Amino acid sequence: GEDVEQSLFLSVREGDSSVINCTYTDSSSTYLYWYKQEPGAGLQLLTYIFSNMDMKQDQRLTVLLNKKDKHLSLRIADTQTGDSAIYFCAERKNFGNEKLTFGTGTRLTIIP
Amino acid sequence: GAVVSQHPSRVICKSGTSVKIECRSLDFQATTMFWYRQFPKQSLMLMATSNEGSKATYEQGVEKDKFLINHASLTLSTLTVTSAHPEDSSFYICSARNSLRVGTDTQYFGPGTRLTVL
Repeated sequence: GEDVEQSLFLSVREGDSSVINCTYTDSSSTYLYWYKQEPGAGLQLLTYIFSNMDMKQDQRLTVLLNKKDKHLSLRIADTQTGDSAIYFCAERKNFGNEKLTFGTGTRLTIIP
Repeated sequence: GAVVSQHPSRVICKSGTSVKIECRSLDFQATTMFWYRQFPKQSLMLMATSNEGSKATYEQGVEKDKFLINHASLTLSTLTVTSAHPEDSSFYICSARNSLRVGTDTQYFGPGTRLTVL
């Protein structure tokens, strides 16, 4: 199966909070990332969290990491139309390995 | 901030031709760059790791003679799709790691190149 899994779709009303979930399988992962991809564009790094952290907040973005359950989430507060995109989580295995393994991506749709 | 460019952004070619895609780190040095391939509505799949001054490391299942990678300088890596066929049509994205920035080893992504082979 996939190393990193995400739900494919999420619809949220404008102004509400969006929560995008991600599960991974490798407990040795060091860094976990969230990227945003708008249509026809590359990936924009939104935020990242180190594996020894439980939470990281950056303006409207909050990342929660449950290392025991290997579960990562991204919460976007006050979701706006400009947040419509595909969101990818990615894990980096260990310090000696620079490769990223990406999740399947979650397409976030904002309902006016 | 760290900017990565790709050229061209879009290319359409005939089957059998070769196509070169450039990836440049504009404001930082990158000893390591990565090439990904993304099929429609799918995730990114790492194709190869490009190392400045040495041979690229290819992922399992990626033909190195088909996808030629050259990383001749600290700011430029090229991917050449040789003898392209319709099944090579895809979105190719590169990323670059800032050699001088320690800690997160964050990869910065280019905007992607959409290749269509007729």
